[in-house]
Parts: sequence; structure tokens; C-alpha cells
Amino acid sequence: DADVTQTPRNRITKTGKRIMLECSQTKGHDRMYWYRQDPGLGLRLIYYSFDVKDINKGEISDGYSVSRQAQAKFSLSLESAIPNQTALYFCATSNPQIHYNEQFFGPGTRLTVL
Amino acid sequence: TQLLEQSPQFLSIQEGENLTVYCNSSSVFSSLQWYRQEPGEGPVLLVTVVTGGEVKKLKRLTFQFGDARKDSSLHITAAQPGDTGLYLCAGWTNFGNEKLTFGTGTRLTIIP
Repeated sequence: DADVTQTPRNRITKTGKRIMLECSQTKGHDRMYWYRQDPGLGLRLIYYSFDVKDINKGEISDGYSVSRQAQAKFSLSLESAIPNQTALYFCATSNPQIHYNEQFFGPGTRLTVL
Repeated sequence: TQLLEQSPQFLSIQEGENLTVYCNSSSVFSSLQWYRQEPGEGPVLLVTVVTGGEVKKLKRLTFQFGDARKDSSLHITAAQPGDTGLYLCAGWTNFGNEKLTFGTGTRLTIIP
């Protein structure tokens, strides 16, 4: 079984809809992250959390919100989706005591906003 | 905002050839990581370099961290089709604000 899972894997939605992306991990890591990947731009950090109920804005947090109610789960919400939020979204976990804070990524969610 | 520029953005070469991918920034990083990503999957860590001038080898892959810790390179010797993928560098800053900044990526295709 995968250590970091994301649901759904693919989602097509319409402008203005509310969307939630879920991330679960079995690695026991305290730190969790949400990234967005666009061609030619690499991965950009949306939000990150170092512990339950700890929330920190990343580079591109506008239009997104997150929730960390349990160590194993970190959800990303788009309150009112817009077409330029079409992208590949990755969740990641890390433990700063392991290999210089290596990021362990989920398989990604491909989101299309029409 | 720290930027990590990778070059080239795309590279397509024949099996057996050598190649080098570059990762450059105007910012100093405490450490730098290289990840490889395959289609339908998340990135996977290849290596972390920490000391300025450090060189690490992973089979046919050689990673170097610049002396000033602002840049890095990845050299692949005798490339194989299994090396195909998206290569991402990523730099950590720990100056009171631990965040990982990813490079723009190099998409490598090895032609059999």
C-alpha cells in the first residue's frame, strides 16, 4: 500500500464550484504540504502544516484553504474554482530528522476547471 | 521569492550519450535536493547535497553543489532509456523559515 495517498486522482469541475482534495499518509510524519505543478513552473508550495491544526501559507495560497484535523490527513479546498487553477496537485509529507527533510509525495490529483 | 532556474527545459538524446542539467539561483541554499518524477507519479528523491563544492555519485549520476551554494548540476554518463523523466532540483533555506523551493524542471528523454 502507498504511504501517501490522494483522492480523487482526477477531477473535472466547473467554474465556481467548491472542490476538496484529500491527502492521507501512513508514514507518521508531522509535516505535510500541498504543492501545485504547472508545466515550466516546477512545483509551487500552496500551504504547509508542521502539526495538527498548524497552518502556514506558502507561495501561492490565494484562492485555496486547508485543514489539518489529524496527523494523517491534510485536505485542500478550492472555495470557488476558476480555470487558472487547472493543474496537477501533489501532497507531500516529511520528517526533518530523516535525510534532510526528504519530501515523500503522493501520486497527484489532476484537476481541470472548465 | 527565491527562484531556481533549470536548463535545459527539454533534452532529448540518444542512449549512451552523456548529459548535464543545470540548476541556478541568485539565492544561497542550506542544502539542495534532486528529485525525479515519472508520468502519473509524484517526485522521488535522488540525492541531497549540503556542503559547498560537494560531489555525490549515484551509479551513473553525478551531482555537484556549487561552492557558493547557489547552483547545482546533474551529470548522467551513458544515458539509458530508464533515465527518462522530469528532473527537479529543490533548495532548502532554513533562515528561520523552512520552505523548499523547486526548480522549473528538465524533461529528459533518452531515445533507444
